[in-house]
Amino acid sequence: QQPVQSPQAVILREGEDAVINCSSSKALYSVHWYRQKHGEAPVFLMILLKGGEQKGHDKISASFNEKKQQSSLYLTASQLSYSGTYFCGTPDSYSGSARQLTFGSGTQLTVLP
Amino acid sequence: NAGVTQTPKFQVLKTGQSMTLQCAQDMNHNSMYWYRQDPGMGLRLIYYSASEGTTDKGEVPNGYNVSRLNKREFSLRLESAAPSQTSVYFCAIRTDGYTFGSGTRLTVV
Repeated sequence: QQPVQSPQAVILREGEDAVINCSSSKALYSVHWYRQKHGEAPVFLMILLKGGEQKGHDKISASFNEKKQQSSLYLTASQLSYSGTYFCGTPDSYSGSARQLTFGSGTQLTVLP
Repeated sequence: NAGVTQTPKFQVLKTGQSMTLQCAQDMNHNSMYWYRQDPGMGLRLIYYSASEGTTDKGEVPNGYNVSRLNKREFSLRLESAAPSQTSVYFCAIRTDGYTFGSGTRLTVV
């Protein structure tokens, strides 16, 4: 079942902050985050494996609340290069070697000068 | 997209024609995936392969077949293309997260 992302779109000015949420109706074992620029392939940002885990990369960080079955991506002091569509992905099951992901429908982030 | 190579990058087909999308990796990973991406619908899994010699259906397998030829290569075949298969197709391997190929933009007219 597809995770639900919110908001669907957000427009920011350079230097502003944004939060993108990803929630699931089923138990989450891990959450992936990806960014895709127009006309390009998605690029892996980070994976969160444990409930309560937080990670950061540059000024992009994420948290994972296993009990609430949700994850949030935080973009701090947005830069023009942050523009793109952000996807969360969740595995279909905890066991199994393939660990195929189901992706949310994406959040389109636009950072204006 | 280093490590995952997709061919072709662009293709236009007529309804009913067949074609094979090629994917090759040089990162020696077991799991490989085919996704399609349509506007507003995110990425949907077509087929995946957990290891050489095994393949399984994903969310939207109808109209497609796959072959895991060896550990490096995982191909996707459209036997009789339909306009509904107009999409962008991505091959991926699982590293820490997924590493995607650059995609094939397919139009069926």
